Amino acid sequence: GQQVMQIPQYQHVQEGEDFTTYCNSSTTLSNIQWYKQRPGGHPVFLIQLVKSGEVKKQKRLTFQFGEAKKNSSLHITATQTTDVGTYFCAGFYPNDYKLSFGAGTTVTVRA
Amino acid sequence: DSGVTQTPKHLITATGQRVTLRCSPRSGDLSVYWYQQSLDQGLQFLIQYYNGEERAKGNILERFSAQQFPDLHSELNLSSLELGDSALYFCASSVDPNPLSNEQFFGPGTRLTVL
Repeated sequence: GQQVMQIPQYQHVQEGEDFTTYCNSSTTLSNIQWYKQRPGGHPVFLIQLVKSGEVKKQKRLTFQFGEAKKNSSLHITATQTTDVGTYFCAGFYPNDYKLSFGAGTTVTVRA
Repeated sequence: DSGVTQTPKHLITATGQRVTLRCSPRSGDLSVYWYQQSLDQGLQFLIQYYNGEERAKGNILERFSAQQFPDLHSELNLSSLELGDSALYFCASSVDPNPLSNEQFFGPGTRLTVL
């Protein structure tokens, strides 16, 4: 079935370093969204990518949508302790109203 | 604060029981979504309502049901509860169900513990 896969499951990062989390789908997505969930909190919408090859930036966060609209990445530069949490990608498939979430990447930061 | 409210925050009950979770969407949002988040299953979409009508169904068990009322609040009913139903249940809302304009706002969740 249609499924969004996300790696890595865990990311332990030294403060100040960069890291990337990846999402992949075996079939083309209509769009992809990214959410962040802080420990003990609820998912919070970060961004949506719709166009093939789209790149969006939010301060230290860079989001990319692949040319084939089957993969996406979130790159965080100069990681800070405020970046701690679980980052989820979530995609819509064509003609489908269900948002399929990846398993999430849980990020911890070493000061 | 996302503007989505969920009650109760915590619920502890026994196997075989029935519970009702309640969600009020953000003002102006017509779509409501229910998700289940457990440690081993991640965030699983259960069901979506738009303006009172069921719009999409995910991996929702037959023991579970939901509805959206005319005032747009929604309830998720879980019956014949099993230990494995213990999870965090999130409600989310959006202005409309169109995937291309579908930023979802999540409520704080209801933590259900089945003993």
